[in-house]
Amino acid sequence: DGGITQSPKYLFRKEGQNVTLSCEQNLNHDAMYWYRQDPGQGLRLIYYSQIVNDFQKGDIAEGYSVSREKKESFPLTVTSAQKNPTAFYLCASSMTPRDHEETQYFGPGTRLLVL
Amino acid sequence: KQEVTQIPAALSVPEGENLVLNCSFTDSAIYNLQWFRQDPGKGLTSLLLIQSSQREQTSGRLNASLDKSSGRSTLYIAASQPGDSATYLCAVRFGSARQLTFGSGTQLTVLP
Repeated sequence: DGGITQSPKYLFRKEGQNVTLSCEQNLNHDAMYWYRQDPGQGLRLIYYSQIVNDFQKGDIAEGYSVSREKKESFPLTVTSAQKNPTAFYLCASSMTPRDHEETQYFGPGTRLLVL
Repeated sequence: KQEVTQIPAALSVPEGENLVLNCSFTDSAIYNLQWFRQDPGKGLTSLLLIQSSQREQTSGRLNASLDKSSGRSTLYIAASQPGDSATYLCAVRFGSARQLTFGSGTQLTVLP
């Protein structure tokens, strides 16, 4: 089955700890994205990558880091510098847009909780 | 600042009713607009994507319209069913921006 997988489904972080959220896609998409969703709010972009070995900051990149060493994978690290990490994290991917076409496909999400 | 607004935040309707969800955006220079559905604790599912040159898109009981001049889009759901209960999110790609800007969503409950 083609799609986007995220793991783990739930993640617990201790004070001062870095944690990494996994995102893998087998859709052969060029672009990948990380969003954060807080209760009752829309999604806010953390980082995105249009091609391997390249990524750009989104609106709320502080306290997060990413890498894009493979086309299929775009892991997100929540560092200890992120003081309010409790949220639902969503990964998405899309083809490089042709004309005006671009649909983003989303993974099932990871819920991060602070102990 | 480019923003996307969805009102109301929550809506309850009886089964079988036709309904309209609203989305407004602050800049008419958009690239495209997308409607998503999100079930509780789940990821997003794309429903409809409207290109900037289009005025509407249809899929089954769903119809999305786009009016760039007024900065509005609507999602029309015909003959609503309890299975339509979910949060509906509107997202806009502004101008040459690579990313989507999301509204905060409308939580829809269809009562049997």
